[in-house]
Amino acid sequence: DTAVSQTPKYLVTQMGNDKSIKCEQNLGHDTMYWYKQDSKKFLKIMFSYNNKELIINETVPNRFSPKSPDKAHLNLHINSLELGDSAVYFCASSTNTGELFFGEGSRLTVL
Amino acid sequence: AQSVTQLGSHVSVSEGALVLLRCNYSSSVPPYLFWYVQYPNQGLQLLLKYTSAATLVKGINGFEAEFKKSETSFHLTKPSAHMSDAAEYFCAVKRGGSEKLVFGKGMKLTVNP
Repeated sequence: DTAVSQTPKYLVTQMGNDKSIKCEQNLGHDTMYWYKQDSKKFLKIMFSYNNKELIINETVPNRFSPKSPDKAHLNLHINSLELGDSAVYFCASSTNTGELFFGEGSRLTVL
Repeated sequence: AQSVTQLGSHVSVSEGALVLLRCNYSSSVPPYLFWYVQYPNQGLQLLLKYTSAATLVKGINGFEAEFKKSETSFHLTKPSAHMSDAAEYFCAVKRGGSEKLVFGKGMKLTVNP
């Protein structure tokens, strides 16, 4: 059983399009995250939700909108995609001690 | 604010040699510290964590790290490298009570036969 699963694994799209990435965790964790990893492998936190409430919102463009329908799901919608949005997006969930469990990533390529 | 510094971007060792990956942290309060490993085309996986218990922390795959407050360091070591250790390694820091985990820029480990 996959602990943190993201779909799709790969996305290729044109500039200006809108796309969504879905994430689900079956670990029973209360906190979930979205991280962005750029081409140099740098990992930057974007958002975090605790029990469906937004608790971390880094300086991310408004085109990025997370949604948490319940504590096991955290989806990411991106409007008006730009070239600079190309990256690998990782979903994660965490225990009380801060240990993060990551999904396998969704590689977004904007042409 | 918490941060970690991983100097350099690439370490290359021979199979069987000592692995040493350096990490220095900056935190105004006692931190929680972590090492994660990322194999190609995969997500990150926890190697080990320090949460203010023992200063020498043992992790998976023979890795360990020592928390040294006087040096603000949390270096990762393994006595004998294996080919399967080739991956990207990330140090990370979290302040107690905060949900935010901040990662270093990562270090690529290459193991030569």
